[in-house]
Amino acid sequence: EDKVVQSPLSLVVHEGDTVTLNCSYEVTNFRSLLWYKQEKKAPTFLFMLTSSGIEKKSGRLSSILDKKELFSILNITATQTGDSAVYLCAAGAGSYQLTFGKGTKLSVIP
Amino acid sequence: DTAVSQTPKYLVTQMGNDKSIKCEQNLGHDTMYWYKQDSKKFLKIMFSYNNKELIINETVPNRFSPKSPDKAHLNLHINSLELGDSAVYFCASSPTRTGGVYTFGSGTRLTVV
Repeated sequence: EDKVVQSPLSLVVHEGDTVTLNCSYEVTNFRSLLWYKQEKKAPTFLFMLTSSGIEKKSGRLSSILDKKELFSILNITATQTGDSAVYLCAAGAGSYQLTFGKGTKLSVIP
Repeated sequence: DTAVSQTPKYLVTQMGNDKSIKCEQNLGHDTMYWYKQDSKKFLKIMFSYNNKELIINETVPNRFSPKSPDKAHLNLHINSLELGDSAVYFCASSPTRTGGVYTFGSGTRLTVV
């Protein structure tokens, strides 16, 4: 059975801190690794990674994939209270659907 | 323009009732999905539907049935609702059957009393 494991499950940091969120996966016929941010409603897309070692960046957020170690990280630098959310990692495999991890709940306090 | 829209946003109903949740996407995507998110925020696939091909997660009770009148719509019908069905149900779509970026609807919070 396909599996995605995220750590930590929750994290509390102060504004300005840098955080690293972890995601490991075991899926058959892996195709892509996606990160989503979920605040109150729908998960919103952050990154899709398909190649090892190529960092993707968007502002203060960045992510990288290691296909050998079956691992991805999401970094957020200079955190702000608006970064508080649940961050979801998902692996796309041979079948259609994404398999999600249980998420990391990030709380950024002023 | 809403890319993936679900109705209703909230649904409160009694045990034993039958209910439907509607989903529509205007992205021209080929594949649509239903996910269930529990109270701990864990998103679990229920169904995926592509060109009339349905893939069902074997853990989904047969009280749940997806219905797709066309490529842009995938509705979820639930018979004989149970307390444990209370959750947030998300519809999503992706460009192709092999994945790509999923776009999610805003969710339907179902409460069974």
